[in-house]
Amino acid sequence: QVHLRESGPGLVEPSGTLSLTCTVSSGSVRYYYWNWIRQSPGRGPEWIGYIYYSGSTNYNPSLKSRVAISADMSKDQFSLHLSSVTAADTAVYFCAVGSGWQRVFEHWGQGARVTVSS
Amino acid sequence: QPVLTQPPSVSGAPGQRITISCTGSSSNIGAGYEVLWYQQLPGAAPKLLIYENSNRPSGVPDRFSGSKSGASASLAITGLQAVDEADYYCQSYDNSLTGYVFGTGTKVTVL
Repeated sequence: QVHLRESGPGLVEPSGTLSLTCTVSSGSVRYYYWNWIRQSPGRGPEWIGYIYYSGSTNYNPSLKSRVAISADMSKDQFSLHLSSVTAADTAVYFCAVGSGWQRVFEHWGQGARVTVSS
Repeated sequence: QPVLTQPPSVSGAPGQRITISCTGSSSNIGAGYEVLWYQQLPGAAPKLLIYENSNRPSGVPDRFSGSKSGASASLAITGLQAVDEADYYCQSYDNSLTGYVFGTGTKVTVL
């Protein structure tokens, strides 16, 4: 059974940095793609980026200048940092893992609601 | 940003068969990239329903099936049930945007 849990502040001030951590429990199964996805109210999901088990990263070009994803594989945790946030970054943020590059969102966390407001 | 187009809503009576379309382009589905489908129940995270265009993960009922043709894909639900009321999203890779893209989403209502 795969279990993912997002954690972090639910409120971030405009121009600040949004930081979230995902803790992965996957037993003996190895997932190679660790992703962040967000969903704004009333809209479909938007892929933010992933970190591969080797440590390499790949980001959505529309967010690339503001995003950093890092991981501590020994703790089965990975983190999202999104800088210079505005109200448009208010969303539910999900972490998700996958076993292949065309199967990157196999299992999802429950999501963390983040509001950008002063 | 969405580059995969879905109908906003589809409805059907219990027991009926419905289909949801997902229309892409030559830079995503038409380029040969696989299509995946997700079900999102109200207030929950998306759940993988179909991968590699037509395969079901373990535990997904065989009432759900996927297909792909050219630059489009479809999700079919047979024997529609009340528990199937949810939002459904298709997803693929786009080599023009160099990233993963989701569809606009379809809300399924069981009448």
